[in-house]
This record gives sequence, structure tokens and C-alpha cells, in this order.
Amino acid sequence: KNEVEQSPQNLTAQEGEFITINCSYSVGISALHWLQQHPGGGIVSLFMLSSGKKKHGRLIATINIQEKHSSLHITASHPRDSAVYICAVPSGNTGNQFYFGTGTSLTVIP
Amino acid sequence: DVKVTQSSRYLVKRTGEKVFLECVQDMDHENMFWYRQDPGLGLRLIYFSYDVKMKEKGDIPEGYSVSREKKERFSLILESASTNQTSMYLCASSSPGWPGELFFGEGSRLTVL
Repeated sequence: KNEVEQSPQNLTAQEGEFITINCSYSVGISALHWLQQHPGGGIVSLFMLSSGKKKHGRLIATINIQEKHSSLHITASHPRDSAVYICAVPSGNTGNQFYFGTGTSLTVIP
Repeated sequence: DVKVTQSSRYLVKRTGEKVFLECVQDMDHENMFWYRQDPGLGLRLIYFSYDVKMKEKGDIPEGYSVSREKKERFSLILESASTNQTSMYLCASSSPGWPGELFFGEGSRLTVL
């Protein structure tokens, strides 16, 4: 059983399209992370959010704690957005560990 | 700019060799993690450390050990590398508080022949 489920697993889009990646989780949390990993690269944190919505440039993340669901949106997608996007939630009482989704691989075609 | 630095981006080792993967963070974080990343399996926790000389096993500790002699440095050791340990290894640290913000290194891609 996966505590964190992402969909879709793979996504191909044309440049300029609006993209949505979904994350559902089964554990009780107070915050969720969205991470980005470019091919062959390390992982960078995009957002940490506990309620509502956050925006950074063309990226928007939303979370509904009651429904245990979060979405990552990319507006006006660009080939440089091609990456794997991973959601993560803290586990345990101390939040020292994390459950990770298996990632969504996004390819944006020029 | 805060940083988690892993010593080697790419390594090729032979079966049975001892392998050291080193990770250094400059943020004075107490929590540090070693993950393994494989296609279709996502990130799996090998070990984490919440203080100097303190460590706890993660989900897949078999075949690995760790060392945390100084707060900024967390090392992953493969005592006798095997081909099934060919993988991408990622080190991370997290900031204080609950939940902490995650910071990752660039990753070390290990191939065991």
C-alpha cells in the first residue's frame, strides 16, 4: 500500500499547455512538499504547503487537507519544465521522515 | 545559498568492493537522510540520522551502514558492494520544526559491475 499516490505517472504536453499533476495521500498530515527533479539531476523543493494555494512564477500548488489531495499546476508550460515531479508528506509523530510518491514524469514538446 | 553536497556524481565499482558515499550540508541541520532512487520505486529511505552519532534504520538498510561523526557530514557505506546496489543515491537534510523543509544533494549514481 502506498501512502502517497500520484497521477499521472507520465505526461507529455505541447509547449504552452496548462498542466495538472495530482497527489493523494492516506496519512494525516499538516503539510505537503512538491519536489522537482530534472533528468540526471538532484531534487529541488518547489513548495511546502499546509493549506490553500501557493504560487511561484508559472507554478501553482493547491492542497485540500480534508480531502487529502494536492495538485501542482504549470501554466504556459515550457520545455525546461520537463522533469519528474514528486510529492512528499511527513510521516511519524516527529515529521523526521517522509513518504514519497513515485513521481510524475513530464515531457514538454516544443 | 544553502547546500547539500555529495562527494561523487558517478562511481563505478566492482562486486565486493567497499564503497563510501559522503554528504556534507552547510545549514547546521540535525536531520540527514540517505535515500535510494530506482525507476518505478521512487525514493526509499536507507538510513537517517537526527544528531551526531545517532542513526535509525529506514526501509531498506540491509547491505548498508552509515556514519555521522560530525553534524555536517553523513556518510553511507556499502561494506561489500553487490550488483543489486546499482542505483542513484540521494542525500538530504531537513530544517528544524515540523515539518521541516527538505534539501537534497545532486545525487550519486553508483554502478556495481
